[in-house]
Amino acid sequence: AQTVTQSQPEMSVQEAETVTLSCTYDTSESDYYLFWYKQPPSRQMILVIRQEAYKQQNATENRFSVNFQKAAKSFSLKISDSQLGDAAMYFCAYRRGETSGSRLTFGEGTQLTVNP
Amino acid sequence: DGGITQSPKYLFRKEGQNVTLSCEQNLNHDAMYWYRQDPGQGLRLIYYSQIVNDFQKGDIAEGYSVSREKKESFPLTVTSAQKNPTAFYLCASNPYSPSGANVLTFGAGSRLTVL
Repeated sequence: AQTVTQSQPEMSVQEAETVTLSCTYDTSESDYYLFWYKQPPSRQMILVIRQEAYKQQNATENRFSVNFQKAAKSFSLKISDSQLGDAAMYFCAYRRGETSGSRLTFGEGTQLTVNP
Repeated sequence: DGGITQSPKYLFRKEGQNVTLSCEQNLNHDAMYWYRQDPGQGLRLIYYSQIVNDFQKGDIAEGYSVSREKKESFPLTVTSAQKNPTAFYLCASNPYSPSGANVLTFGAGSRLTVL
């Protein structure tokens, strides 16, 4: 069974600084997708970024980028120029690349605080 | 606007009562999911459904039941057999894709408290 581990229950960053959230996963599959979701205080889950395992290039979405190390099974999220609105719980997630009905497995989450 | 509507947002239940959480989507998505969120444990999959009239158990299905009679609806019943039902429940959906690349869309969630 696939597992996703986020070893940092809490992180903090100063506004305008950069922070990196860690995620590791365990799988025997070669085809899969990795995601970072954000859950602000409203508790609405929002997709931050997605990475296809077959792509070597790291995904980037504006101030958000990932460091995908397939051999090490590591998938960290870097937030540049942190803003107060980035404060949220961040979840790393994994999905097999077979069908859209396959399950999305989540990590335990990292609570990010942004200090003004 | 298209999206997922979960109701009620807050629900209180007495021990021994069954309750049903509603999840409706107007996105024409094929697959729907129910997740449970507890502090420090992330999201855990309860049930999911890929097509109408079919559903599969997730990791923590005991004490829960679902139905998928219509494509747009996937209600979750929390039965009295669920030993610790107090939690935040999230419904999600995605369209069909043969690759698994599709992103989940989430509802706003329902908070269930057992008194």
